[in-house]
This record gives sequence, structure tokens and C-alpha cells, in this order.
Amino acid sequence: EDKVVQSPLSLVVHEGDTVTLNCSYEVTNFRSLLWYKQEKKAPTFLFMLTSSGIEKKSGRLSSILDKKELFSILNITATQTGDSAVYLCAVEAGDSWGKLQFGAGTQVVVTP
Amino acid sequence: SAVISQKPSRDICQRGTSLTIQCQVDSQVTMMFWYRQQPGQSLTLIATANQGSEATYESGFVIDKFPISRPNLTFSTLTVSNMSPEDSSIYLCSVAGQYNEQFFGPGTRLTVL
Repeated sequence: EDKVVQSPLSLVVHEGDTVTLNCSYEVTNFRSLLWYKQEKKAPTFLFMLTSSGIEKKSGRLSSILDKKELFSILNITATQTGDSAVYLCAVEAGDSWGKLQFGAGTQVVVTP
Repeated sequence: SAVISQKPSRDICQRGTSLTIQCQVDSQVTMMFWYRQQPGQSLTLIATANQGSEATYESGFVIDKFPISRPNLTFSTLTVSNMSPEDSSIYLCSVAGQYNEQFFGPGTRLTVL
């Protein structure tokens, strides 16, 4: 059975701290791993990773994929209160294109 | 990325009734998807909405409960039929982008009393 596991489930940090979120997976026919930020209802797309070892960056956020060890990390540096959200990891795998399997998410709270 | 809208944004419904949720995209897209997010849970794929053919449902979801229409490449509807309180969820549509990344609509928050 395919699995996507995120850790930690939640964390609280102070503004300015660095946060590292983990996503490990066990799936058949892996195609890509995606990160999303969910503040209210709609998840907002952050990154899509398909190749090992290539870091994707956007401002203070960055992510990298390790296809050998089957995990990805999402880093947020110099955190701000606006970074408070649930961060979701999803994997596209299997026989059907476009089907995403989501992890449970990591709730991040950034305090002033 | 495509601009996606959903209607209604939220609704409160009585058990036993049905609700149809609309998803509109501002450009033609091949693949559209419907997800459910129950309270405190992550997203679960309900079905892939195929233009010109029947939707493809995931395990645990059936057409009689969640009928889907996809009349063209910019529009889809999901109906939640014969609702019970267990159907209270956020329902989200998504579309696949150029590289198969998925972009989500704003969601519909459904409460069933």
C-alpha cells in the first residue's frame, strides 16, 4: 500500500527561526513530489520535484528530493507570522496520471 | 497558472438533500480532479473528471453518491447526493498544469445538519 508520511505533525517556532519539514514516501511508480501551503481552504502550490538532488528555491522557501532514500524536505528560513499554515506533501505515483496522494500535513505556527 | 473558481463557497444543508458544486477554469484543461478534505484530515481524491466520458472514481467513492459532469474543457460539477453529517467536508477541484503540477480552486465548505 502506498504511503506518504510527514513529520513533525505540528511545531511552534518564533519569528526568525528556520523550519525543516520532512516528507517520506513508499509508492509504486513514483513520478513527482509536490509541496503545498494551506492556510484556509485552498492549498497553494509551492514546489514540484522530480529529480534527486536538485534544490528548488522561492524566496525563503526551498525544497530538495532524495529519490534513493525516498524523502523530501521543505525549509523555511527567517520565518514570519505569515508562514503559519499547514504544509502538505503529495506524491504523484501509480498507473494513473495526475493522481496525488497526500500526507497528513505539518501544522506550523510562527509566534511573534 | 489557471484561475479556478468554485461555487458555492460554503453551504449548510439538511441531511437527505443533494448539493451540486461547480468548478470553472479560465482556460481549457485536459485533467480536472475532485478532492475531499474531512475535518482535521488531509486531502483525498474522489475522482478524475474526464471530458467526454465518465469520471474515474477512487476506491471508496461511487458514482451514485458523487455524480460528476464534465461537459467541456473549462467546467465540471460534483454533486454530493443524499447527504449525511459525515459528508461535512471541504470539497476542492484541481486542474493539472503544464508539468502535471496541480492547482486548486478556492474550495467549498459543506456542513450537513
